[in-house]
Amino acid sequence: TQLLEQSPQFLSIQEGENLTVYCNSSSVFSSLQWYRQEPGEGPVLLVTVVTGGEVKKLKRLTFQFGDARKDSSLHITAAQPGDTGLYLCAGALYNQGGKLIFGQGTELSVKP
Amino acid sequence: ETGVTQTPRHLVMGMTNKKSLKCEQHLGHNAMYWYKQSAKKPLELMFVYSLEERVENNSVPSRFSPECPNSSHLFLHLHTLQPEDSALYLCASSQAAISGSPTHTQYFGPGTRLTVL
Repeated sequence: TQLLEQSPQFLSIQEGENLTVYCNSSSVFSSLQWYRQEPGEGPVLLVTVVTGGEVKKLKRLTFQFGDARKDSSLHITAAQPGDTGLYLCAGALYNQGGKLIFGQGTELSVKP
Repeated sequence: ETGVTQTPRHLVMGMTNKKSLKCEQHLGHNAMYWYKQSAKKPLELMFVYSLEERVENNSVPSRFSPECPNSSHLFLHLHTLQPEDSALYLCASSQAAISGSPTHTQYFGPGTRLTVL
């Protein structure tokens, strides 16, 4: 069974703090996607990383794909209350027809 | 309308009812997916359609029946559901490569919150 371990599962921080969310697996992925989901809504795509070692930045969010394509991290600088939500990572397996393996998610709460 | 839309957004049904969930994508994609999201669990893939053919059925009970009449529409027909089927049902779409295999970036709809009494 392919697993994507995401940590931490819960994170409560003050506005202005930095944080990092991790996704780790023993499987190698052809790409990895990060989503943000608000209660009662569907996940919204933040980024897709494709190349091992790749780093992508989206304003205060920095995404990194591990060199071996088995892990990824999301770093948020100076978190704001608007960053509150459920963050999901999803890895695409090779030769699996686009099938994604999802992590359990990280519930982030940023308090003003 | 843009992106992926789902109707209804909320549904309450009894165990003997029959209902259908609808998904429509306006992205020009040709692969569509149904997922189930329950509390404290990762998203569970239910069905995949690529180029209007079902390419995956992830051991889903027969009380869930998908239908994909064309590349823009996807339905999930529900009958004799159980209370444990209560969850958020998400539809997603992506672009299938020329070979018919879906590519990886999936775009999600807002979901249907289903409650089975």
